[in-house]
Amino acid sequence: DQQVKQNSPSLSVQEGRISILNCDYTNSMFDYFLWYKKYPAEGPTFLISISSIKDKNEDGRFTVFLNKSAKHLSLHIVPSQPGDSAVYFCAAAGNYGGSQGNLIFGKGTKLSVKP
Amino acid sequence: EAGVVQSPRYKIIEKKQPVAFWCNPISGHNTLYWYLQNLGQGPELLIRYENEEAVDDSQLPKDRFSAERLKGVDSTLKIQPAELGDSAVYLCASSSRPGGKLFFGSGTQLSVL
Repeated sequence: DQQVKQNSPSLSVQEGRISILNCDYTNSMFDYFLWYKKYPAEGPTFLISISSIKDKNEDGRFTVFLNKSAKHLSLHIVPSQPGDSAVYFCAAAGNYGGSQGNLIFGKGTKLSVKP
Repeated sequence: EAGVVQSPRYKIIEKKQPVAFWCNPISGHNTLYWYLQNLGQGPELLIRYENEEAVDDSQLPKDRFSAERLKGVDSTLKIQPAELGDSAVYLCASSSRPGGKLFFGSGTQLSVL
């Protein structure tokens, strides 16, 4: 039973355009959401996060939107650059039961930005 | 500031052999995680430590996997005996607080033949 779902395994975007990566979650106890970026043969690196008390967080070219009623978040990258090509993981954490403090990850979306 | 350090980067072993992975977290990070990442999947939690205490090992297959963090700093994850299905990337991560931003090491790519 996947609690964090990234339904698009891959996404291809032209350089300079917007990349939109989507993530859905099922557990209403999640209150902190993060996006990680992973290059081949490297560990995931933190990109941006958002608390459930907000609906938007922006950091340079990266913006994360949270829609709590729909249990949906998205990562927008504008403008997309070839160096953004990587696998992007959505992760969620919540204060519930014995899993407090654990990040639950989605399966990832592979973004390819074409020059 | 040094990041999370893992070794070895790659390990190839035959099935039924033992294997161990080592992790040194970011200095001052009391929370340490071991994650397993299969090909095409996201990281899946194996065990979480707060200092030297394993506070969540519910996903750790205890018949063959073990972990320790004796002094609340470095950690070792062991598999004995290894099976073909254990081939994956083993990631270590640390955080300054539970549920906070995780910093990952580069991982250990394990191949069991």
